[in-house]
Amino acid sequence: EVQLVQSGAEVKKPGESLKISCKASGYSFTNYWFGWVRQMPGKGLEWMGIIYPGDSDTIYSPSFQGQVTISADKSISTAYLQWSSLKASDTAMYYCARTGISGMAAGFDYWGQGALVTVSS
Amino acid sequence: DIQMTQSPSSLSASVGDRVTITCRASQSISSYLNWYQHKPGKAPKLLIFAASSLQSGVPSRFSGSGSGTDFTLTISSLQPEDFAGYYCQQSYSIPYTFGQGTKLEIK
Repeated sequence: EVQLVQSGAEVKKPGESLKISCKASGYSFTNYWFGWVRQMPGKGLEWMGIIYPGDSDTIYSPSFQGQVTISADKSISTAYLQWSSLKASDTAMYYCARTGISGMAAGFDYWGQGALVTVSS
Repeated sequence: DIQMTQSPSSLSASVGDRVTITCRASQSISSYLNWYQHKPGKAPKLLIFAASSLQSGVPSRFSGSGSGTDFTLTISSLQPEDFAGYYCQQSYSIPYTFGQGTKLEIK
């Protein structure tokens, strides 16, 4: 059974760093693209970027390029989303998700449960 | 970026109703269009990929159609568990943008 299990909720102060994780199981982690989606409070879904764990090829949305870092550790089937300096506007729910075998053309077919990140002084 | 515009933004309907949600792309995206259902506090769920392919395990009352710039998601007979948010997403070019969402509420 495919499962994506995300790390827990975080409360941080502006300027702090953060790395959240998403552990995959039940499939070959290196053979599927893996992505992150943001949902700000009361807003819709935003595509942040994707990574191919097999070779770490990473594609960012221009809106998030330079703002976050997406990475993966294939030895432990885990993907990461990190910030070096959080802002209040980073407060959101963050979802990890896996694409179908043919990549984004098949959509995100499995999702993590979401991780709420709250940034407040 | 390709802009995805859904209509309506919200919709009230009754159990048993047939409902259609539309999604328009700002440029042609062929059939690179996905639909998701999202309930509060839960992860989004893929319903339809490639405009009209039903994701495994999704009830057949959900269907998708369209190509180019205009797409529709149809629920043939609303069930109580279908009241949720619905999002389209283009997977034609980066960034793979979502529509703003449609909130389907009980009348």
